[in-house]
Amino acid sequence: KAGVTQTPRYLIKTRGQQVTLSCSPISGHRSVSWYQQTPGQGLQFLFEYFSETQRNKGNFPGRFSGRQFSNSRSEMNVSTLELGDSALYLCASSSGENTEAFFGQGTRLTVV
Amino acid sequence: KQEVTQIPAALSVPEGENLVLNCSFTDSAIYNLQWFRQDPGKGLTSLLLIQSSQREQTSGRLNASLDKSSGRSTLYIAASQPGDSATYLCAVRPIPSGNTGKLIFGQGTTLQVKP
Repeated sequence: KAGVTQTPRYLIKTRGQQVTLSCSPISGHRSVSWYQQTPGQGLQFLFEYFSETQRNKGNFPGRFSGRQFSNSRSEMNVSTLELGDSALYLCASSSGENTEAFFGQGTRLTVV
Repeated sequence: KQEVTQIPAALSVPEGENLVLNCSFTDSAIYNLQWFRQDPGKGLTSLLLIQSSQREQTSGRLNASLDKSSGRSTLYIAASQPGDSATYLCAVRPIPSGNTGKLIFGQGTTLQVKP
């Protein structure tokens, strides 16, 4: 079956712009989580959605937001981009509580 | 606050060696622990998931153990191959976060297997 799909794979944006990233989970998975990966901070949790509801949020500013649709696809949005937002953004899906997490290939965001 | 540490940060071995990667966590209140592999610029590939009630899991040449009471997990790779070269990450799912998808990651061990 198809894995987790993230689009686009690469993005270049200018400071101050906003960006929307998309994640399609594995079919049947209702939990989608987002992570930011940078060389200095490693992998950090952004937020998690389950059945269109945000269940948990990491320590990121309000410029980072997300949503989940009824088909479990999720989007995350970053507004007023800063240079420090340059990172690999990873999405993970799982079927339910305490089950294995599967990650997508990520979206590489570069802010110039 | 749960913290996950992986030692060593980098490891270089000749092909064919058996090796062990270490992962430690500060709070034993976890639902499970998962090992991942990441190739440069790519996403994470799940290798093994160990539930808190389990002691070990095996998949092919990989064996992961979990000692929840001491806050430790090891990933054993048998007969290493150049294709095993990657960064290996461990992550725990803490109980206080409830039934959520939050994983807390270590910084990873970058493995190089030389032919």
